[in-house]
Amino acid sequence: AQSVSQHNHHVILSEAASLELGCNYSYGGTVNLFWYVQYPGQHLQLLLKYFSGDPLVKGIKGFEAEFIKSKFSFNLRKPSVQWSDTAEYFCAVILYGQNFVFGPGTRLSVLP
Amino acid sequence: EAGVVQSPRYKIIEKKQPVAFWCNPISGHNTLYWYLQNLGQGPELLIRYENEEAVDDSQLPKDRFSAERLKGVDSTLKIQPAELGDSAVYLCASSLGGASYNEQFFGPGTRLTVL
Repeated sequence: AQSVSQHNHHVILSEAASLELGCNYSYGGTVNLFWYVQYPGQHLQLLLKYFSGDPLVKGIKGFEAEFIKSKFSFNLRKPSVQWSDTAEYFCAVILYGQNFVFGPGTRLSVLP
Repeated sequence: EAGVVQSPRYKIIEKKQPVAFWCNPISGHNTLYWYLQNLGQGPELLIRYENEEAVDDSQLPKDRFSAERLKGVDSTLKIQPAELGDSAVYLCASSLGGASYNEQFFGPGTRLTVL
């Protein structure tokens, strides 16, 4: 069965530190990949998505992610985090015609 | 444009009681999803609708859970009877169509507590 893993359960960073959150999936076919964010008390929002083309995808709020097909990975990055980036981050994978499979999430805490 | 609307936002019930959640998707979105999100975990799909048809309900515990989407717009998810383990956040999402690459827009969720 298709599965999504996220390397870190909880990441704590100071402001201005660089961020990389890992995401790996188990399926070897054609996939679409997403990162969603859930700020405290808010609903899930799309950060960025990859369908095809340039494997380096830029999203909102300075986030980017790189699709590495050979590693089945779609890691999320941001060069300099802010306190307002404190949130839960979910990686999601979908196969054509199938349903979204979400990872377990990574909680990011940014210290001011 | 209004987002996905869910009500109630919070619900506290005693076990064995029934409960219902309501979702109004974004206007024009044909596909509607219900997800279950436990604390510290990602959303897990319960059921997916294309218009009024439930096209995937394989993860819905049908002994106690039911859902409907009359007229292909609003949807209701029901639990009867509720169990302690049903305490979670129930999320509704919608998208433009059934294509897998369509972005899903999520509602705020209903946080259910079963005592």
